[in-house]
Amino acid sequence: DIVMTQAPLSLSVTPGQPASISCKSSQSLLYSDGKTYLYWYLQKPGQSPQLLIYEVSNRFSGVPDRFSGSGSGTDFTLKISRVEAEDVGVYYCMQGIQLPLTFGGGTKVEIK
Amino acid sequence: EVQLVESGGGLVQPGGSLRLSCAASGFTFSSYWMYWVRQAPGKGLVWVSRINSDGSSTIYADSVKGRFTISRDNAKDTLFLQMNSLRPEDTAMYYCARRGYDSWGQGTLVTVSS
Repeated sequence: DIVMTQAPLSLSVTPGQPASISCKSSQSLLYSDGKTYLYWYLQKPGQSPQLLIYEVSNRFSGVPDRFSGSGSGTDFTLKISRVEAEDVGVYYCMQGIQLPLTFGGGTKVEIK
Repeated sequence: EVQLVESGGGLVQPGGSLRLSCAASGFTFSSYWMYWVRQAPGKGLVWVSRINSDGSSTIYADSVKGRFTISRDNAKDTLFLQMNSLRPEDTAMYYCARRGYDSWGQGTLVTVSS
């Protein structure tokens, strides 16, 4: 199974300040079709996960442009350019290149 | 609008059974592989099972193999998860999701306890 490792475990951010979350996979997520199957989700309190970023760097429909994803191979980053109060929750990365789908352990983001 | 609505969760004793459903709308359900993912209280996300678009191929996490069965009714746009021989460690919120992983349901809570 592919192991997904996220850091940090938690972040406390002042509104308007940037935030960054790292995700590393134990194997390359680059598939033979040229796509890299790395996803980012936000799970707000009491809600199901909502997709933010797919295939490393593509923002899902309706996701604000303050969210951006980058990386390649086994190292990935989610950045929030200016954190807002509505961004609180737990962020997860997920690999979709092979089953079992595996997730990072989560990064809890709170507002200072 | 894509919608996935899970139902069927509840409190069940160890060794008991439950059947979860996931009603899909807003997209061509029969064209999508579908997944179940669960989340124990206060814990992370764990993949449970996958079924292909016509139901001919299924795969399970080792932790549920032989106890859970994923199936689908494409005529009714519905995904199922039959859960037998339930254990306390199966206690979790169960989510259905479609291939592409862009849409998840709101989840249905399964509690296994005596």
